[in-house]
Amino acid sequence: EVQLVESGGGLVKPGGSLRLSCAASGFTFNNYNMNWVRQAPGKGLEWVSSIYSDSSYKYYADSVKGRFTISRDNAKRSLYLEMESLRAEDTAVFYCVRDDFLTGYADYWGQGTLVTVS
Amino acid sequence: EIVLTQSPATLSLSPGERATLSCRASQSISTYLAWYQQKPGQAPRLLIYDASSRATGIPARFSGSGSGTDFTLTISSLEPEDFAVYYCQQRSNWPPTWTFGQGTKVEIK
Repeated sequence: EVQLVESGGGLVKPGGSLRLSCAASGFTFNNYNMNWVRQAPGKGLEWVSSIYSDSSYKYYADSVKGRFTISRDNAKRSLYLEMESLRAEDTAVFYCVRDDFLTGYADYWGQGTLVTVS
Repeated sequence: EIVLTQSPATLSLSPGERATLSCRASQSISTYLAWYQQKPGQAPRLLIYDASSRATGIPARFSGSGSGTDFTLTISSLEPEDFAVYYCQQRSNWPPTWTFGQGTKVEIK
């Protein structure tokens, strides 16, 4: 069974930093591109960042470029999101999402971790 | 940047009725469109990909259509568990990024 379990969320002050982690299991992690998608309270979904299976390419939404850094450790089957210079508008549930390499869409999602900037 | 606009924002229907949700892209995206369902407190679930292909385990009452800029998600006969928020999403080949619509809430009338 595919499982994605996020951790690392919490309350942080504006300008602060936080590191999110996602532990993957149930599939060959190093075969898949991975993503972070966020959802502000009561709002819609926003793609944040993606990383290729071998970390060769990384992409970011304009809203986080220069402040967030995505990374992965295939040996540990883990995905990370380092967030700096956090703003109130970054408050959201952050989801770890698998990119289905056959279709290019989000086929598995974690349950999310809440980041509150206040 | 491609913008996806979903309509209506809210759809009030009764169980057994047919639901028709719309997603319009600001420029042609061929059939690179997916639909997701999200229930309160849960992560989204993939329903439809490439505009009209059902994801694994998705009931046949869910169907998708469209190409270019206009897309539709149809639920042929609403079941109680179908009342939720639905999002469309487009995938860009290069750079490989995703864009979501703002969502349509299907609520019980």
